Amino acid sequence: DAKTTQPPSMDCAEGRAANLPCNHSTISGNEYVYWYRQIHSQGPQYIIHGLKNNETNEMASLIITEDRKSSTLILPHATLRDTAVYYCIVFISGNTPLVFGKGTRLSVIA
Amino acid sequence: DAGITQSPRYKITETGRQVTLMCHQTWSHSYMFWYRQDLGHGLRLIYYSAAADITDKGEVPDGYVVSRSKTENFPLTLESATRSQTSVYFCASRGSARDTQYFGPGTRLTVL
Repeated sequence: DAKTTQPPSMDCAEGRAANLPCNHSTISGNEYVYWYRQIHSQGPQYIIHGLKNNETNEMASLIITEDRKSSTLILPHATLRDTAVYYCIVFISGNTPLVFGKGTRLSVIA
Repeated sequence: DAGITQSPRYKITETGRQVTLMCHQTWSHSYMFWYRQDLGHGLRLIYYSAAADITDKGEVPDGYVVSRSKTENFPLTLESATRSQTSVYFCASRGSARDTQYFGPGTRLTVL
């Protein structure tokens, strides 16, 4: 699996957009970019995923660069409940499971 | 619409005892997974299963046994628990190779 690089921690003011970067420079053409988050002690929660195009759902937006070597997860209006560890995962299809790195610890501050 | 459940949610056991952690999903997903999470190590894969009666080792399988006789259940057994197996265990499932993977709420296991 391709590796990802994320900053270990970030802060964001409540109500502002949180932009979480992820580098995946060795991603191959058939690998998706997935984002999960884990709120303290809970199971990881799926947020969004994409292949080439930008994606948006009710939780977040995913912006993937044209060369696919990096992506950004955007939480448009962060709330205190968005405080969590966010994982960027590059996933190759087939029988392989998701492999988690250390993620980014996002702290939303009032 | 329970989704994916784990039981028990909390378990305290003693070294050397056998303990089984249960995972049940109501979606008829083909794939199921067991991860453990320890401070400083993040989520590590123990075992996974692509279908009933098919299982495969993950990153840290030693000391664990799994079975998958029914699609909806994927129990994880610690045959002789050790203190190093104190951890939070997460079960997950997904429908197909490219489907979203969903996680259960976790089981916090303490081995004394």
